[in-house]
Amino acid sequence: DTGVSQNPRHKITKRGQNVTFRCDPISEHNRLYWYRQTLGQGPEFLTYFQNEAQLEKSRLLSDRFSAERPKGSFSTLEIQRTEQGDSAMYLCASSGIGGIPRVYNGNTIYFGEGSWLTVV
Amino acid sequence: GENVEQHPSTLSVQEGDSAVIKCTYSDSASNYFPWYKQELGKRPQLIIDIRSNVGEKKDQRIAVTLNKTAKHFSLHITETQPEDSAVYFCAATTLATASKLTFGTGTRLQVTL
Repeated sequence: DTGVSQNPRHKITKRGQNVTFRCDPISEHNRLYWYRQTLGQGPEFLTYFQNEAQLEKSRLLSDRFSAERPKGSFSTLEIQRTEQGDSAMYLCASSGIGGIPRVYNGNTIYFGEGSWLTVV
Repeated sequence: GENVEQHPSTLSVQEGDSAVIKCTYSDSASNYFPWYKQELGKRPQLIIDIRSNVGEKKDQRIAVTLNKTAKHFSLHITETQPEDSAVYFCAATTLATASKLTFGTGTRLQVTL
């Protein structure tokens, strides 16, 4: 179990293009989160899944953003018609009892390395 | 919603000195307060956390204190080392809802030789 993994790690795209990021949480973690982080700021919450259900969405998540977790395991975050203001690091995180070995604290939110997006 | 304020934004200490970072929160329902360390270009990593039923928690050189009445909590790092240099974020959430963390704006700690 290698923790939360995200890909791609870096993406440069032209304004107006669509991009998709994938997140694989810690195995058996039922909660999955997406955050966005810009330089010099703390992570900002975007959305949260419990299993396959999307339970909360931030007002930061405009209609150009969509997140899915179809089978309650991996998740994707798609940004349509990217704008320069979308340039940021997109962090995925997960929490819950799980992992091999079962040492992960149920309350702790574990972050992936992030996916850097640059819109030019 | 929850609002977390963090001070100072930058902190420079000499190796061996102590560092203190302070945070305040607004939502009295918040009951879980983790601290994350983030090195440049890396993921935020949990270094210590505290629940509202505890006033203080210590792990080697790191300690966190919580004052529920005043709604503030602090991170204390003693005997600082160069590898402590990073950005530190406090956060708050309500465990019952198991949802989002609200982060502070971060403190850039520089430990000089």
